[in-house]
Amino acid sequence: LAKTTQPISMDSYEGQEVNITCSHNNIATNDYITWYQQFPSQGPRFIIQGYKTKVTNEVASLFIPADRKSSTLSLPRVSLSDTAVYYCLVVRRNAGNMLTFGGGTRLMVKP
Amino acid sequence: GAVVSQHPSRVICKSGTSVKIECRSLDFQATTMFWYRQFPKQSLMLMATSNEGSKATYEQGVEKDKFLINHASLTLSTLTVTSAHPEDSSFYICSVRAGVDTDTQYFGPGTRLTVL
Repeated sequence: LAKTTQPISMDSYEGQEVNITCSHNNIATNDYITWYQQFPSQGPRFIIQGYKTKVTNEVASLFIPADRKSSTLSLPRVSLSDTAVYYCLVVRRNAGNMLTFGGGTRLMVKP
Repeated sequence: GAVVSQHPSRVICKSGTSVKIECRSLDFQATTMFWYRQFPKQSLMLMATSNEGSKATYEQGVEKDKFLINHASLTLSTLTVTSAHPEDSSFYICSVRAGVDTDTQYFGPGTRLTVL
């Protein structure tokens, strides 16, 4: 599976839009991109998933360029409660559900 | 999304004892569940894949005789840490596949194991 690279940490302020970019240069045709959020001492929570272009749900947007070698998770108007670790994963369709977690991005939202 | 529970949420045990952690899929039947381990400030590491009615598949480096997995029903998988040692202290998290036609996984709240 394609290895993912994302910033170790990011700081933001309440009310700002936060964009976290993930690189996955070796992504394959059967792979799609999934993002999870994890608070301390909790299991990861599914945020959003996409294959190409743009996906939006009530929580976030996911932007994937045409070459799919990167993706950007966009969190609109963050609040203090969005402080968490965000993981970008490349998942291969119908391949036994293997999830390989990288280091994630530790987002700190400040007042 | 799917609702997954774990019990207990936190456990402290003495070295040499065994600890059982339960993972339940509350709102659908899960033929496959996964067990992860997470050390402080680190990412999740897949330990094993639990298959209902068959033996679990363990990742390289995970001792199957130490981490016993039982998936006896479509809603319950258990992880037993046998002869626990302080180095087994960690955060154990299970996940379930959301359905047969999807690869999305939903995670339980985790179990904090502390071995004294």
